Amino acid sequence: AQTVTQSQPEMSVQEAETVTLSCTYDTSENNYYLFWYKQPPSRQMILVIRQEAYKQQNATENRFSVNFQKAAKSFSLKISDSQLGDTAMYFCAFMKRTYMEYGNKLVFGAGTILRVKS
Amino acid sequence: EPEVTQTPSHQVTQMGQEVILRCVPISNHLYFYWYRQILGQKVEFLVSFYNNEISEKSEIFDDQFSVERPDGSNFTLKIRSTKLEDSAMYFCASSELFGGSTDTQYFGPGTRLTVL
Repeated sequence: AQTVTQSQPEMSVQEAETVTLSCTYDTSENNYYLFWYKQPPSRQMILVIRQEAYKQQNATENRFSVNFQKAAKSFSLKISDSQLGDTAMYFCAFMKRTYMEYGNKLVFGAGTILRVKS
Repeated sequence: EPEVTQTPSHQVTQMGQEVILRCVPISNHLYFYWYRQILGQKVEFLVSFYNNEISEKSEIFDDQFSVERPDGSNFTLKIRSTKLEDSAMYFCASSELFGGSTDTQYFGPGTRLTVL
């Protein structure tokens, strides 16, 4: 079974600064995806960024980038130029990749609350 | 941009009552999921659904739960006899296909279920 661990229950950052959220996971799978989802106070789950395990290049989406270390099973999220709207709970999630015709479940970490201060 | 929708946004029910939570996945998506999040806890997988049948379910998804795709657009989660511990946020998600970038699951805004 896969597990996802987010060791930082809460983080805070000043507006315009950079913050890094940590995530580690445990799996025996070789093919998988990793995701960061954002959950603002509205509680909607919003995809932030996605990484395929077979890709060595770290994914980036505008101000969001990841540091994917496959051997260390680490997947951290860096938010640059933090904005007040980034205030949310951030969940790291794992999904194994199969070639069978069924959907694969996401396994979530416990989440990190990020507060951006003005 | 297409999105997953869920109704109602908030449902209050008495213990022992049946509830049906509704979801409209993104129209060209083929895989559907339900997750739940008890307040202050992590998001947990309940069930996945493809080709009109359950592909996988968790141990949470016992005989009190069922899912259905009654028509071409809706995907429902039914809880037959609600318990206090069913109080949670229930999220529906959908994905287009398996494999590649189409595996990404897109979530609805959630239904908050309160069991009294």
